Parts: sequence; structure tokens; C-alpha cells
Amino acid sequence: NAGVMQNPRHLVRRRGQEARLRCSPMKGHSHVYWYRQLPEEGLKFMVYLQKENIIDESGMPKERFSAEFPKEGPSILRIQQVVRGDSAAYFCASSLNSGTGGQPQHFGDGTRLSIL
Amino acid sequence: RKEVEQDPGPFNVPEGATVAFNCTYSNSASQSFFWYRQDCRKEPKLLMSVYSSGNEDGRFTAQLNRASQYISLLIRDSKLSDSATYLCVVNNPHNTDKLIFGTGTRLQVFP
Repeated sequence: NAGVMQNPRHLVRRRGQEARLRCSPMKGHSHVYWYRQLPEEGLKFMVYLQKENIIDESGMPKERFSAEFPKEGPSILRIQQVVRGDSAAYFCASSLNSGTGGQPQHFGDGTRLSIL
Repeated sequence: RKEVEQDPGPFNVPEGATVAFNCTYSNSASQSFFWYRQDCRKEPKLLMSVYSSGNEDGRFTAQLNRASQYISLLIRDSKLSDSATYLCVVNNPHNTDKLIFGTGTRLQVFP
């Protein structure tokens, strides 16, 4: 499968636990984006990363949330000490680095996070 | 003013109808425009890019009006399978690799 791969598809955590969401971009894509979507709401941008660099984290909550995209391996979105309000669908997208900007983003299937 | 604004709908149309959605964007310096569709509880999927001269892909036609800062999507001969939420997407001119998504317009096609 050459598309954006996210895992797990579903993740259940109890309040206070940590959640780790993984995303492998499409082959050849060097830009990764994370979005959050609450039921019946639109996509909310969280963070934009390139390999080993956070480019824009303006949509990330200041506490408990972090993201990385290491030189090797998938991008990770990490949520510490989860609360009920973190329950949502988390989508990862990737795009090409063409140098011209504004490339379309291709999305993974998402991770549905449920907090008990 | 929101960066990207769409009428949330829903638009309820019969099969075979023609339906059009509009979207407005706030920053005149934006350069890249797209329409995505999202089915319930699924990921957004790229429907088509929007070019300055307008472009067509089968039953779908996209138009861009830079002067008025709006984008449109026209769907002809609607099918039941067109039922989805349509997302208008614009690039951020200050960070051209960052896309800004509208909240979407819901379309429901009925038999």
C-alpha cells in the first residue's frame, strides 16, 4: 500500500494514560501534517513537520501534546495524561516537497481515539 | 472573518440534479486551491485541484474567481454516491505548504 499509513485505527485509553499515534507518509513525501476532527466538526490543523523539524505547531495545545518526525521511522503524535476531551479522530496527511508550495495533501485513514 | 468559509448545508437534491457549492477565502495572496470530499467517519480525499482558468473532471467543474476571492464546485447529474461533505481548501500564502480547510458543505442526494 503506497498511501499514508496510520496506526492504530482505533485506540482506547483511560484518563491519565498516554496515547501514541503513528503515521508513515506516502513514499517520496517529506511533509507530514496532523489534524484533529471532533464529531460533526471540521478538520483542525495541529502541526506540520518535515524530517527532524517542526515547521508549524500553531494548532497544538501547549500542554500534553507533542509531535516528532524522526530521520528514520514514522511521525508520532503523542498525547500525555489524556482527558475525555481528547477523544476525536486524528488524521495524518503528507505531501510532496516540490519547492513550489501548496501541494495537495493525501490523508491516512485516521486514528479514532476514545478516552474512557 | 474565517480564512475559508463555506455554507454548511445540508443541500438535499434528487438524483440527476445539478448542484453548486461556493466557498470564499480571506487572503488574496493564496495561490493553491482544492476541493476534497469526506464521507462520514472517513478520511478526506482529494477531489480536484482548482485552476485559474477553471477545470472539469467528468461531472465535476471547479471555478476560481480571484477578484471576488471565491471558489465554486458544480456537480452535474448527481448520483447517490455523491452524498458526502465537500471541503474547500486554500493554501496559506505565508507558509505555502500549509493548507487551510473549510468546515465543509454537506450534500445529500436522494432517489
